[in-house]
Amino acid sequence: RKEVEQDPGPFNVPEGATVAFNCTYSNSASQSFFWYRQDCRKEPKLLMSVYSSGNEDGRFTAQLNRASQYISLLIRDSKLSDSATYLCVVTLSGNTPLVFGKGTRLSVIA
Amino acid sequence: DAGVIQSPRHEVTEMGQEVTLRCKPISGHDYLFWYRQTMMRGLELLIYFNNNVPIDDSGMPEDRFSAKMPNASFSTLKIQPSEPRDSAVYFCASSFGPAGETQYFGPGTRLLVL
Repeated sequence: RKEVEQDPGPFNVPEGATVAFNCTYSNSASQSFFWYRQDCRKEPKLLMSVYSSGNEDGRFTAQLNRASQYISLLIRDSKLSDSATYLCVVTLSGNTPLVFGKGTRLSVIA
Repeated sequence: DAGVIQSPRHEVTEMGQEVTLRCKPISGHDYLFWYRQTMMRGLELLIYFNNNVPIDDSGMPEDRFSAKMPNASFSTLKIQPSEPRDSAVYFCASSFGPAGETQYFGPGTRLLVL
């Protein structure tokens, strides 16, 4: 089983829609979780960290379910500019490197 | 803030040639990472350094790959000899603090080996 698994998509949604991505991780000892965003032909950039209690940043909400070992990202009121690949990222501890999923591709259509 | 700088941005070479990729991390960052990204395998960690010392190179695919960090502001990833299967985007990233902290990526080098 891969360390971090994501549905590759693509998710094609109309502007204004709500879309959710899930990601599962294999190591139950994982401690830190993130979502990175990668635009086409660009480098990955941190979108948001994922906290145990869940957290929100504007239209973006991240949730963590430790019991089921999955992380989710919810995007409300999708914009054309949200079109990108979203990478789920996990690390065992603050001293171990990040492990990246392959990403989920989102296309928001006008 | 210049961010992480990588050069060249694009490289086309023939099989068997030596390829050298360069990276300048963000000033003050003490961790530097080299990644390779392909459609099939996603983003793979090749090697990372802490304070210029290689910590984990288990991701380096084979002996044809080598990486150095002679000082805090410069690192190289070398492939010798290159093969078509090495074609990928190579990213350098840096961070401040422990390895699990937020990483800042450079724009990447797109390598095509013919």
